Amino acid sequence: EPEVTQTPSHQVTQMGQEVILRCVPISNHLYFYWYRQILGQKVEFLVSFYNNEISEKSEIFDDQFSVERPDGSNFTLKIRSTKLEDSAMYFCASSQRGDTQYFGPGTRLTVL
Amino acid sequence: AQSVTQLGSHVSVSEGALVLLRCNYSSSVPPYLFWYVQYPNQGLQLLLKYTTGATLVKGINGFEAEFKKSETSFHLTKPSAHMSDAAEYFCAVILYTGTASKLTFGTGTRLQVTL
Repeated sequence: EPEVTQTPSHQVTQMGQEVILRCVPISNHLYFYWYRQILGQKVEFLVSFYNNEISEKSEIFDDQFSVERPDGSNFTLKIRSTKLEDSAMYFCASSQRGDTQYFGPGTRLTVL
Repeated sequence: AQSVTQLGSHVSVSEGALVLLRCNYSSSVPPYLFWYVQYPNQGLQLLLKYTTGATLVKGINGFEAEFKKSETSFHLTKPSAHMSDAAEYFCAVILYTGTASKLTFGTGTRLQVTL
């Protein structure tokens, strides 16, 4: 069964450093998303992406964040200058029609 | 704007007992509703969904949920709990407008199953 994959599973970085989180969505899906879950809190929407552009973003998704689909298979989330409060589990999701979303296993980001 | 309320951050049941996890939503238009399960150190797995049609939906692992518009609820049930059901369960709502739509999640309910 097709599934969303994410790399790395765990990323440790120093405050102020740039990180790129990678996702490979399900191959015939057209809609892509990033969510995050701070430890002990609920899952929060960050951004949705369709037709090579951002379709919606949350207040969390400020200028430090960017997304890209550099080729036909990868979908990336970049954080330019990480802060302590960016420590969280980041989930990528994809959807064929923009309704039912399928999630990857997540990347745990730890900012020191 | 839509929102989701999950009553009970922790629910404990005995193995073999009924599981009932509560979810109420707020939405100005007919919502699409989902339950996701998160096992320890894993991602979010789709358990079941309601989009249109039959209000009682069945999912994986013997779970089902009923959409009740009059009560704005989408409670998750399973007749007989198994130890392997221990996990965190998230209810989520989407306003599907034909384009990419974000999921809004509840705060989650941690299910504990005891012998």
